[in-house]
Amino acid sequence: DQQVKQNSPSLSVQEGRISILNCDYTNSMFDYFLWYKKYPAEGPTFLISISSIKDKNEDGRFTVFLNKSAKHLSLHIVPSQPGDSAVYFCAASAQYGNKLVFGAGTILRVKS
Amino acid sequence: DAGITQSPRHKVTETGTPVTLRCHQTENHRYMYWYRQDPGHGLRLIHYSYGVKDTDKGEVSDGYSVSRSKTEDFLLTLESATSSQTSVYFCAISEPGLAGNRDTGELFFGEGSRLTVL
Repeated sequence: DQQVKQNSPSLSVQEGRISILNCDYTNSMFDYFLWYKKYPAEGPTFLISISSIKDKNEDGRFTVFLNKSAKHLSLHIVPSQPGDSAVYFCAASAQYGNKLVFGAGTILRVKS
Repeated sequence: DAGITQSPRHKVTETGTPVTLRCHQTENHRYMYWYRQDPGHGLRLIHYSYGVKDTDKGEVSDGYSVSRSKTEDFLLTLESATSSQTSVYFCAISEPGLAGNRDTGELFFGEGSRLTVL
């Protein structure tokens, strides 16, 4: 049973427009959420995170929104650039846990 | 970039043979992890270590064992490889407390080891 779900396997967006990647979780003990980005033949790299005490966190073109009541988070990329084309993984952990649980990933393609 | 080296980067082996993947870090991070990445499943935790000789199972540990005799090295062993273990394996490290008061901290990943079991 997947505790972290990314229901969209892929997303295609035009350069300059907004990309919205979604993630749902089922474990109410999760209170820290992260997004990782992965290019082919490379390891995932950390992108942005959010704690459950917040509902929004921004870092440049990247914003993560958290809706705790819906157990849903989203990553917004504005404006999208061709270099953003990658696989994006949502991940979550519980406060006293020491493991990250990852979603299946969403392939983002930004067309120029 | 975090100093994480995985070896070998690519390996093809036959069913029933033993395989060992090595992860070496130069960051002196306490936690080390082995994940596998498969289409439709994302990254799934195999085993992790929270110190020298301290290891624990992840969600997909069957068929795998690990050892950590030094802070910098974490070995993943497939005692008898099967075709279902064909995957890309990623090592990751973290240091608790680097990301606020988190037990986990941010994970830093290696470049991956692609294993094919024929």
